[in-house]
Amino acid sequence: GIQVEQSPPDLILQEGANSTLRCNFSDSVNNLQWFHQNPWGQLINLFYIPSGTKQNGRLSATTVATERYSLLYISSSQTTDSGVYFCAVRGGGSQGNLIFGKGTKLSVKP
Amino acid sequence: DADVTQTPRNRITKTGKRIMLECSQTKGHDRMYWYRQDPGLGLRLIYYSFDVKDINKGEISDGYSVSRQAQAKFSLSLESAIPNQTALYFCATEAQGSNEQFFGPGTRLTVL
Repeated sequence: GIQVEQSPPDLILQEGANSTLRCNFSDSVNNLQWFHQNPWGQLINLFYIPSGTKQNGRLSATTVATERYSLLYISSSQTTDSGVYFCAVRGGGSQGNLIFGKGTKLSVKP
Repeated sequence: DADVTQTPRNRITKTGKRIMLECSQTKGHDRMYWYRQDPGLGLRLIYYSFDVKDINKGEISDGYSVSRQAQAKFSLSLESAIPNQTALYFCATEAQGSNEQFFGPGTRLTVL
């Protein structure tokens, strides 16, 4: 099945810094989503981005489907950005579940 | 607001007990999913349903069963809970043809 790898596994930032999180996947996809899991465990949809670029406030994402990777950019980080960021994909020829990476744990220090 | 809700939000139970986790949605989506998350890991699929008469096993269905009572309701049951089913459980929905999934707030289950 399709493999999803996220890097880095852990990231510590000072408030105000910028960061880039990466998601590599092993096959073509028809769905790629980025989620933020907050310290209370809730999964928050950030982007649905199987290809192209999107921006939402301080966050933006780019997926280069032909090269099988996606990037999540966080600018001017805030302490409320702390948590785990997950990339999840669904293979291009399949329906059903998302395959999740193991996540990047982000800690933003004041 | 259209939403995905899960009940209970937290539950502690004992080994051997039967337990049901419930999911309801007001999004009008056809497709519903149950995932499980273990510490330090991403989510893995337990069961999914594309409509009321359609139920499919996921990657880790052993020890679980589901019921799709209506388009808006999808329940997960543990017939005889065991400690390694201690996890965070998420329900998700998806509109047919959209490819984007939306997740509920999760149920934290502890089996003693």
